[in-house]
Amino acid sequence: DGGITQSPKYLFRKEGQNVTLSCEQNLNHDAMYWYRQDPGQGLRLIYYSQIVNDFQKGDIAEGYSVSREKKESFPLTVTSAQKNPTAFYLCASGSRLGTDTQYFGPGTRLTVL
Amino acid sequence: QKEVEQNSGPLSVPEGAIASLNCTYSDRGSQSFFWYRQYSGKSPELIMFIYSNGDKEDGRFTAQLNKASQYVSLLIRDSQPSDSATYLCAVIPSGGSYIPTFGRGTSLIVHP
Repeated sequence: DGGITQSPKYLFRKEGQNVTLSCEQNLNHDAMYWYRQDPGQGLRLIYYSQIVNDFQKGDIAEGYSVSREKKESFPLTVTSAQKNPTAFYLCASGSRLGTDTQYFGPGTRLTVL
Repeated sequence: QKEVEQNSGPLSVPEGAIASLNCTYSDRGSQSFFWYRQYSGKSPELIMFIYSNGDKEDGRFTAQLNKASQYVSLLIRDSQPSDSATYLCAVIPSGGSYIPTFGRGTSLIVHP
């Protein structure tokens, strides 16, 4: 059963903590993306990756970090430097960067306590 | 900054009517256009993509692209309450980055 999985579904973070959001895909897609969505807002790109061991900053990368050690996995770390991390985080993948559609995971809702 | 604009709505239509959702974009060289549906609390799911001027139909959905006027529309025929959601327009701009720019979405409410 192919698709994109994200975990956890809900995540609570205390001030000053780093947390890591998981994203895994078994679609054999080269490109993977992380977006942030705030209420009433569109999707804002945090980071993206075209191939293993390579990734690029998006529009709002400050306070976030990623890795791409495997084709299937693209975890996102929300660091303590991110001052307003409460949001809905979406991971997506695509078979060719930009020339094909993006498929989204179910999302992780992060709340700072 | 390459922009994608959508009316936030809500757009309210009666069941069985045609819902018309519009999206304008600033980059004249944009090549690929996508419509996603997002239910409250859920992730976006692809409805349609369109690359060429004109209409593209898929069931009750029709995407319309007019590159000269820089707009793309989504028509939903025979609207159902289950169509109530936010519809996101995404555009891949020119310039070679191939990263889509998303609009903020239009909230659609189909009332019985």
